[in-house]
Amino acid sequence: NAGVTQTPKFQVLKTGQSMTLQCAQDMNHEYMSWYRQDPGMGLRLIHYSVGAGITDQGEVPNGYNVSRSTTEDFPLRLLSAAPSQTSVYFCASSYSLATTPYGYTFGSGTRLTVV
Amino acid sequence: DQQVKQNSPSLSVQEGRISILNCDYTNSMFDYFLWYKKYPAEGPTFLISISSIKDKNEDGRFTVFLNKSAKHLSLHIVPSQPGDSAVYFCAASGESEKLVFGKGTKLTVNP
Repeated sequence: NAGVTQTPKFQVLKTGQSMTLQCAQDMNHEYMSWYRQDPGMGLRLIHYSVGAGITDQGEVPNGYNVSRSTTEDFPLRLLSAAPSQTSVYFCASSYSLATTPYGYTFGSGTRLTVV
Repeated sequence: DQQVKQNSPSLSVQEGRISILNCDYTNSMFDYFLWYKKYPAEGPTFLISISSIKDKNEDGRFTVFLNKSAKHLSLHIVPSQPGDSAVYFCAASGESEKLVFGKGTKLTVNP
């Protein structure tokens, strides 16, 4: 099925470990983004990309890196995991940064726990 | 500074009654507004949207109202069903700008 695919669905990390959250979309969307969802905080933008080779920071970028080598993939890297990064992470994509009537398409999320 | 505010963290209604979820915004440059629905362990899914040139948009049981002068929008669900129990996010954007999300309202529809 077409859409946004995130892997893994669950992950437990030890403090200081690094890992990459994967995100892939097969809708030929130019715009991709990463959000984190924390209780009482809603959806906060981490990083986004308006096309291959172009990335920019969102609201809460510290501790995360991204790259966009292809249109389809937008991985999120945690360089040195901290307990404050325990959260649910969502990848989203859209035809463009500018809002369409249907907004963004979201993946099903990755639940990350850092101990 | 929070540009999109959902001041009610939770709302409980009886099945068959109307659910009204509210959202306020501060940025007068916003020109598109959306509502997303999120079930536990799933990603948010698009529900309904409205352009700033309209004041109402309807899709089945869901209606979104926009009051630009008050910088306020609301989502009405009539009649409410137990399957509507979810977290609802309000989102907004201006021209060529990213979506900004509110913190969400958890709706519980009791049978």
